[in-house]
Amino acid sequence: SQQGEEDPQALSIQEGENATMNCSYKTSINNLQWYRQNSGRGLVHLILIRSNEREKHSGRLRVTLDTSKKSSSLLITASRAADTASYFCATVFSGSARQLTFGSGTQLTVLP
Amino acid sequence: DAGITQSPRHKVTETGTPVTLRCHQTENHRYMYWYRQDPGHGLRLIHYSYGVKDTDKGEVSDGYSVSRSKTEDFLLTLESATSSQTSVYFCAISEQGGTKETQYFGPGTRLLVL
Repeated sequence: SQQGEEDPQALSIQEGENATMNCSYKTSINNLQWYRQNSGRGLVHLILIRSNEREKHSGRLRVTLDTSKKSSSLLITASRAADTASYFCATVFSGSARQLTFGSGTQLTVLP
Repeated sequence: DAGITQSPRHKVTETGTPVTLRCHQTENHRYMYWYRQDPGHGLRLIHYSYGVKDTDKGEVSDGYSVSRSKTEDFLLTLESATSSQTSVYFCAISEQGGTKETQYFGPGTRLLVL
């Protein structure tokens, strides 16, 4: 499978701590995106990082991309209970630019 | 949910019956997608459309067909539902750049095939 793989599958932290989730993939990408899904809801786009970028920030989110290691990480700083959700990375593989391929996600629980 | 609605939101059907799910958008976006979400698999692409009457297959298209006769509507049909098609189905849209841009997701349809 070409899909990205998130690690860990589940993560439980205390409010105020930082949460780090990782995504690895197998082939060259055009871009990589992170999405959040609250229980019972659709996915919400968080951030997109292109293959020629190494780091992007959006509020409390920081995403890094290492194309040599074929990996990305999502850091959520100063986590809140409202950050409790599943987080998915999705990749657009070079040569298949019309399809997003999702990983199986990381379930983040932020305890108050 | 970025002007995307899915209908029905929940459906229970029996094996062998046809089922049609509808995705409607008010954003006038060019690209529309159908995904299914199952535990342990994340989201998998079923079919997508890059314009009216322009569709293509995704990763798990067997047993599914789609149609797009208008910009705003993208229909997913299960010709003869099977228990393996029990899943949550999500529609998504994106503007002009397809996967080079954000995809916006609908609220999902929970389908149970008995």
